[in-house]
Amino acid sequence: KAGVTQTPRYLIKTRGQQVTLSCSPISGHRSVSWYQQTPGQGLQFLFEYFSETQRNKGNFPGRFSGRQFSNSRSEMNVSTLELGDSALYLCASSRYRQGGGNTEAFFGQGTRLTVV
Amino acid sequence: KNEVEQSPQNLTAQEGEFITINCSYSVGISALHWLQQHPGGGIVSLFMLSSGKKKHGRLIATINIQEKHSSLHITASHPRDSAVYICAVERGGSNYKLTFGKGTLLTVNP
Repeated sequence: KAGVTQTPRYLIKTRGQQVTLSCSPISGHRSVSWYQQTPGQGLQFLFEYFSETQRNKGNFPGRFSGRQFSNSRSEMNVSTLELGDSALYLCASSRYRQGGGNTEAFFGQGTRLTVV
Repeated sequence: KNEVEQSPQNLTAQEGEFITINCSYSVGISALHWLQQHPGGGIVSLFMLSSGKKKHGRLIATINIQEKHSSLHITASHPRDSAVYICAVERGGSNYKLTFGKGTLLTVNP
């Protein structure tokens, strides 16, 4: 069974540009969540999608957005990049659990974004 | 104060030692996760707990909901266990939103 796939693995962008990151979940997983990891702040929740709907959002500015397609693949977009957006961006997928909530999360390898 | 606190931040052990990493949280949760992150970034989910104790190989995770505390134990530690171990809590409800601890960097020397 293929794992969670994130593309690209590495990205270098210039301040002011925008970037789109992609996440393909494990087959059958309908929940995809996104996280930002920086040395200073650690791991922080960005947002979660389930069946093409954003169910939860973390405390990030509106420059960070995402979407989920009917095949559960998800993209996140960061517009007007700032130096502080340099980070490892991770996505995770999970299966919906009967009775509520999700099963354990399976993480991708991440996309390392560097803003110069 | 962070909602999820881990201790210690750094831990160095000799191969074969018994390791304990602690996690305390201050909010109501529906589940607690233990994650492992190796250099290079990849994160692996080790355990997802809502009560009691789980064991997988040399790893054991326990949680005490009343005391809002969880521990991750590694028996007979090995250099390949060297990694960052991260505790994360999931708030109640059907939505999925993890709040993470800062992580514990474990180094196991041969």
